[in-house]
Amino acid sequence: QKEVEQNSGPLSVPEGAIASLNCTYSDRGSQSFFWYRQYSGKSPELIMFIYSNGDKEDGRFTAQLNKASQYVSLLIRDSQPSDSATYLCAVGYSSASKIIFGSGTRLSIRP
Amino acid sequence: DGGITQSPKYLFRKEGQNVTLSCEQNLNHDAMYWYRQDPGQGLRLIYYSQIVNDFQKGDIAEGYSVSREKKESFPLTVTSAQKNPTAFYLCAIQDNLIAFFGQGTRLTVV
Repeated sequence: QKEVEQNSGPLSVPEGAIASLNCTYSDRGSQSFFWYRQYSGKSPELIMFIYSNGDKEDGRFTAQLNKASQYVSLLIRDSQPSDSATYLCAVGYSSASKIIFGSGTRLSIRP
Repeated sequence: DGGITQSPKYLFRKEGQNVTLSCEQNLNHDAMYWYRQDPGQGLRLIYYSQIVNDFQKGDIAEGYSVSREKKESFPLTVTSAQKNPTAFYLCAIQDNLIAFFGQGTRLTVV
């Protein structure tokens, strides 16, 4: 059974600080890793994807992947109140054209 | 206007009633997916279709049915056999394993 685990939170971070969101996955065959942001009552939207070990930066967001530890994280620098949302980690398996989603971490940025 | 359109946004179902959720896309994608989201839980795959006139069960297909008569359309029927249908339903297409979602339909049993 493939699993993707996230701490449900809520994670409370002061405005301007770095928010760190973590995700672990169980299947070493995992090939693609994604972070989605979901505002309350809305559908998820993709914010980052990463395929290789290391860091990938896009604006205030950095995704980090460590395949040996089966660990993927998302860093949000200079956190803003608009970053308050639930962040879903997802892992993709191209052999099955399947994506497994974590249950999400609720992030709250306090002014 | 391109994208994935789900309707209705809110839907109320009486006990024992079948309801159908609509999903239409004009992105010319072959593969379409239906997910269910419950509070505090991740998205769970109900059904998917990779080509017209073909579809496969996902992880939680019991109590649901689908059809794929046209490339653009992938409706989901929640049958009376689904005992706990209250949830947020998301239709998606996938491009290189990246999922793009419609706006979602919130279904409530009354």
